[in-house]
Amino acid sequence: GQNIDQPTEMTATEGAIVQINCTYQTSGFNGLFWYQQHAGEAPTFLSYNVLDGLEEKGRFSSFLSRSKGYSYLLLKELQMKDSASYLCALMDSNYQLIWGAGTKLIIKP
Amino acid sequence: ETGVTQTPRHLVMGMTNKKSLKCEQHLGHNAMYWYKQSAKKPLELMFVYNFKEQTENNSVPSRFSPECPNSSHLFLHLHTLQPEDSALYLCASSQLRDSHTGELFFGEGSRLTVL
Repeated sequence: GQNIDQPTEMTATEGAIVQINCTYQTSGFNGLFWYQQHAGEAPTFLSYNVLDGLEEKGRFSSFLSRSKGYSYLLLKELQMKDSASYLCALMDSNYQLIWGAGTKLIIKP
Repeated sequence: ETGVTQTPRHLVMGMTNKKSLKCEQHLGHNAMYWYKQSAKKPLELMFVYNFKEQTENNSVPSRFSPECPNSSHLFLHLHTLQPEDSALYLCASSQLRDSHTGELFFGEGSRLTVL
């Protein structure tokens, strides 16, 4: 079967760095996505990884290891506006997105 | 502004009511989706339309009835709902259903409360 796990909630300090992990199990893989969702707002696309390694996009980076079934989203120089839920999603062999339950990130001053 | 607009943003209805959720996308996309989002649960895909044709119905109860009159509009008709159907209903669109990039553009959702 397919399964995605990510922590329910994390807390970090403004200006610091936080890493949100996502582990998955799947028989077919066509990429891993991260979305950001502020409370009461639409989820918005952050990143897409299909090959192993680190993809950097400004303050946000996403890492993938297909052999380990593992990804993380790294947020640097945290700002208060980064308080949101971060959704990990796996694209399976049928190009369907399988979603994690999301990680609520709380940023404290 | 994501280019996907959902109305109403909030809806309260009784179990015997009939209501509809509306979604409109201004992105020229060909695939549209309905998702259900419940607290602390993964997004649940309900329906997918590709070029106005329904391609997926993920075992959704018949009290939810989708309609896609054209590639820009999607409706979710609701009738005789149950309290457990209370959730955030998200509409999304993408360029193609089987897109290799898979990027979805979501609306802000319709918060549904069933009394």
